[in-house]
Amino acid sequence: EVQLLESGGGLVQPGGSLRLSCAASGFTFSNYAMTWVRQAPGKGLEWVSDISGSGGRESSADSVKGRFTISRDNSKNTLYLQMNSLRVEDTAIYYCAKSFYYDSSGYCEFDYWGQGTLVTVSS
Amino acid sequence: QSVLTQPPAASGTPGQRVTFSCSGSTPNIGSNSVNWYQQLPGTAPKLLIYNNNQRPSGVSDRFSGSKSGTSASLAISGLQSDDEGDFYCAAWDDSLNGPVFGGGTRLTVL
Repeated sequence: EVQLLESGGGLVQPGGSLRLSCAASGFTFSNYAMTWVRQAPGKGLEWVSDISGSGGRESSADSVKGRFTISRDNSKNTLYLQMNSLRVEDTAIYYCAKSFYYDSSGYCEFDYWGQGTLVTVSS
Repeated sequence: QSVLTQPPAASGTPGQRVTFSCSGSTPNIGSNSVNWYQQLPGTAPKLLIYNNNQRPSGVSDRFSGSKSGTSASLAISGLQSDDEGDFYCAAWDDSLNGPVFGGGTRLTVL
């Protein structure tokens, strides 16, 4: 059974940092691209960042570019999102999701999602 | 404001057929396949339709998708009370070089 378990969310002040983790199990982690999608309170879904199966290709939304960094450790079956210079508007539930494919470019078929971790940016 | 446009709300009665629209443009729906996600209250999104009209294993055949030009639609037949939730369309955008989502349509079963 595929499982994705996010952790690392919490309350942080504007300008602060957090590192989210997503522990994966039930599939060959290195064979699939992974993605972070967020959802602000009461709002819709927003793609944040994705990374290919090998980690050799990554991409991020303009809203987080230069502040957030996606990475993965295939030996630990874990996906990460390092979030720096956090802003109030980054407040959201952050979901990790598994892609259908090895490469993330050109695709947005996410067949498994974690339960999400809440990040609150507030002073 | 979302790149893909969806009506904010829809409703129907049990047993009815309802449809949701999703409007985009050439770089996204016009050039790439459309996927649909269902988000039940308090839960994570779930892939409902991929590649315009394909259902993942385990998804009921009451759900169907279609695409024409720069628009797509999702239909639910035999509406059930536990279908209530939010429905999002998504597509890759060649201009933004990333996935884009619609703002979501909230379904109420009356």
